[in-house]
Amino acid sequence: EAQVTQNPRYLITVTGKKLTVTCSQNMNHEYMSWYRQDPGLGLRQIYYSMNVEVTDKGDVPEGYKVSRKEKRNFPLILESPSPNQTSLYFCASSLTGQGPSENEQFFGPGTRLTVL
Amino acid sequence: AQSVAQPEDQVNVAEGNPLTVKCTYSVSGNPYLFWYVQYPNRGLQFLLKYITGDNLVKGSYGFEAEFNKSQTSFHLKKPSALVSDSALYFCAVRDYQGTGGFKTIFGAGTRLFVKA
Repeated sequence: EAQVTQNPRYLITVTGKKLTVTCSQNMNHEYMSWYRQDPGLGLRQIYYSMNVEVTDKGDVPEGYKVSRKEKRNFPLILESPSPNQTSLYFCASSLTGQGPSENEQFFGPGTRLTVL
Repeated sequence: AQSVAQPEDQVNVAEGNPLTVKCTYSVSGNPYLFWYVQYPNRGLQFLLKYITGDNLVKGSYGFEAEFNKSQTSFHLKKPSALVSDSALYFCAVRDYQGTGGFKTIFGAGTRLFVKA
């Protein structure tokens, strides 16, 4: 089954304790991305990756790191989490072609993070 | 700056009536526009997209959207609403960067309530 998986689905942590949220896709997609969803703000892009070893900042990258060492995996790292990073996080992937059938993103189920 | 606006936080409609969820955008160049739906406790699912061609695009679950270049709008429509259409709807646009990559900008979302 084609899917994007995220782990963990729920996480409660404390300020300053480094954490990693994993994301994996099995569709051989080049493009992967992380978003955070906050009430009234919709989804905001944190980082995206056009392909292996190619990453770039989205609109809200502060406090986050990513890496893309393999095509299927795109982990999100919070080196020193703070309470304002409490949010619902989504990973997504897509093809990057210009053709009409290669544009929509497939989303993971989400990770609800609480930073105390 | 590129942006997407969904002017209504909430839309209420009776089952069987037509529904419209509004979206306007501001991008340079030709827009790639998307609608996604989020059901409770789920990730986002792709509904439909406009890349080029006919201004009226059809998507999943009987939804359609009309691209209007002069009004920079991409409103989501359905001729006859179902209670099961109740969900959170997001409009999104692809924002190409000078590096060759692209960001994705989402609207704040519109919650649709369909009353039986």
